[in-house]
Amino acid sequence: SQQGEEDPQALSIQEGENATMNCSYKTSINNLQWYRQNSGRGLVHLILIRSNEREKHSGRLRVTLDTSKKSSSLLITASRAADTASYFCATDAANFGNEKLTFGTGTRLTIIP
Amino acid sequence: DAGITQSPRHKVTETGTPVTLRCHQTENHRYMYWYRQDPGHGLRLIHYSYGVKDTDKGEVSDGYSVSRSKTEDFLLTLESATSSQTSVYFCAITASGTIGELFFGEGSRLTVL
Repeated sequence: SQQGEEDPQALSIQEGENATMNCSYKTSINNLQWYRQNSGRGLVHLILIRSNEREKHSGRLRVTLDTSKKSSSLLITASRAADTASYFCATDAANFGNEKLTFGTGTRLTIIP
Repeated sequence: DAGITQSPRHKVTETGTPVTLRCHQTENHRYMYWYRQDPGHGLRLIHYSYGVKDTDKGEVSDGYSVSRSKTEDFLLTLESATSSQTSVYFCAITASGTIGELFFGEGSRLTVL
């Protein structure tokens, strides 16, 4: 069963706009990670947020985590054509590590030039 | 880029034949993982390894076996391939099993006819 589920499944925006995607999960976690996957390629790690953190920034990326709602959001500001990709959240269940890292089904983001 | 090589990158085989996918890393990372990616399911963990000759099952291990005789190589074997095993297979590595990012290979696309 999926631990994380992203919403929306697909998102198309104009270049320069901000993109927000959400992830919901079911059980308590240690950490939540976001990955990007370009078409036909492997996943690339973007950012990790620990369960005791509420917000984290990395360049144009902003991640929030609400453990009470079991949800996270990824905001990409000032989007670029190169941001077109699928984005996945991944969670590790509390008391487990990366061996129990489970991925959501992803949000497909399309940036329109 | 993390030194991860998957082979073969593409394979077409027939139902009932054995298939072995290889993951080779040059990072000397302890942990290695095999995931499969299917539309609507995201990535699902098949097997993982936490050291030479130390492996464990993931979420979807039925029909798959793995071996790790050297730190750098993690083999995934389908003893008798079925059409339901048509998928894209990703290898991932990490230095830490408890926290941290995974580094992914470029994937192996397997088609079972």
